[in-house]
Amino acid sequence: EVHLVESGGDLAQPGGSLRLSCAASGFTFSSYSMTWVRQAPGKGLEWVSYISHDGRTTYYADSVKGRFTFSRDNARDSLFLQMTSLRDEDTALYYCVKDGATMIRGAPLRYFQYWGQGTLVTVSS
Amino acid sequence: DIQMTQSPSSLSASVGDRVTFTCRASQSISTFLNWYQQKPGKAPKLLIFASSILQSGVPSRFSGSGSGTDFTLTISSLQPEDFAAYYCQQGYSFPYTFGQGAKLEIK
Repeated sequence: EVHLVESGGDLAQPGGSLRLSCAASGFTFSSYSMTWVRQAPGKGLEWVSYISHDGRTTYYADSVKGRFTFSRDNARDSLFLQMTSLRDEDTALYYCVKDGATMIRGAPLRYFQYWGQGTLVTVSS
Repeated sequence: DIQMTQSPSSLSASVGDRVTFTCRASQSISTFLNWYQQKPGKAPKLLIFASSILQSGVPSRFSGSGSGTDFTLTISSLQPEDFAAYYCQQGYSFPYTFGQGAKLEIK
C-alpha cells in the first residue's frame, strides 16, 4: 500500500525558511516522479512543483520559482521541499503526491495518483 | 500558462440525481485532463485521468469525457458519499494547473 507522510510544517515569519519532508513507502520510489500540491485555507488546489524519478528535472509554479527547491533522496525514499523567502501567501497545507503516468500519442500524461495527508505551513509575523 | 475554468462553481442536487460538471481549458490540451474529488478535511482523491479513464476502485457512476478545450465529469446517480468538491487539472504542460473547484452540495 502506498504511504506518503509529510512533515516539517510549522509557523514561520515572513522572509523565513522551512524545509518540508515526505517519507514514501509501499512502492518503488526511485521509479516515479513526485509532486507537491498546496491548498490555502478554504481555497482550491495549487500545483507547486514536480521532480523527475531521478531528481534531474524539476519544475516550479511561478509563485514559488526562485524561492523553493524540490529535491529527493532515492536511497532513503524521501522528498524535500526547501522553502525560503516565505510570504504570507505561502500559508497552506502542503501535500506530497506520487505521480502516475500514461502515454497519449507518445507524450506522457502525469496525474496525481496518491496523496499524503499534508503538512501545514503558516507564514505570519 | 493554461487556465482551467470550471462551471458551475457550486451545485445543489439530491441523491439519485445525474449531475455534470464542466471544465474548460484556455487552449487545447487534447485529453491531458484529470479529475479529483476532495471531501472536507481529507486529501484529494484521483477519480479520472486522461479525460475518461476511471482510476482503479472508483465507482462506475463516475465518467469523464472531452477533448481539446471542453471536458465534462458526470455522476450518473448521486450517492450520499459523492457530496464533495471536484477539481479538474491539466497535465498537458508545465506549470500544471487546476480549475478553481466545484462544490457539490445536498439539496
